[in-house]
Amino acid sequence: DAKTTQPTSMDCAEGRAANLPCNHSTISGNEYVYWYRQIHSQGPQYIIHGLKNNETNEMASLIITEDRKSSTLILPHATLRDTAVYYCIVLSGTYKYIFGTGTRLKVLA
Amino acid sequence: DAGVTQSPTHLIKTRGQQVTLRCSPISGHKSVSWYQQVLGQGPQFIFQYYEKEERGRGNFPDRFSARQFPNYSSELNVNALLLGDSALYLCASSLVLGLDYGYTFGSGTRLTVV
Repeated sequence: DAKTTQPTSMDCAEGRAANLPCNHSTISGNEYVYWYRQIHSQGPQYIIHGLKNNETNEMASLIITEDRKSSTLILPHATLRDTAVYYCIVLSGTYKYIFGTGTRLKVLA
Repeated sequence: DAGVTQSPTHLIKTRGQQVTLRCSPISGHKSVSWYQQVLGQGPQFIFQYYEKEERGRGNFPDRFSARQFPNYSSELNVNALLLGDSALYLCASSLVLGLDYGYTFGSGTRLTVV
């Protein structure tokens, strides 16, 4: 499974878009990109996933570069409740998530 | 609808003891995975079960074992507890075994070994 690299922490003003980058330069053609977040003392929460195309759901948008070596999770209008650790995971046929240390996003009032 | 249910929520054990953690997946979900999360780190994969068969095992010693029952619930057993086993143990379920589905995690069992 490909490894991912994320910034350790980010701040975002409430109401603004939060753009969380992830580098996965060793990703292979059949590996998906998943995003989860973990709010303090809770289990990780699924946000979104994609293979090649950009994806959008009610929580966020996922932009994957054409070469698939990086992606960006976009929270369009961040709220204080979006403060959490965000994990970018690359997953292939083993179905085994390899979590890194993630990005600690702090949304500021 | 009930989410993934884990019990107990908190547990304190003594070194050398054995512990059993339980997980009930979302109704209809057939895949259950277990993860260990040490404070300050991301979750680490321990086991995955699908249709009552082990489908994956992480880099954990044989002191860790698990099983999945006919109703798809699961137990994680840890023998001969060490201080380093203190962690949040997370259970995740999914409908099937596939890459097109995300997992739903429970809130975890916080195990403290003293």
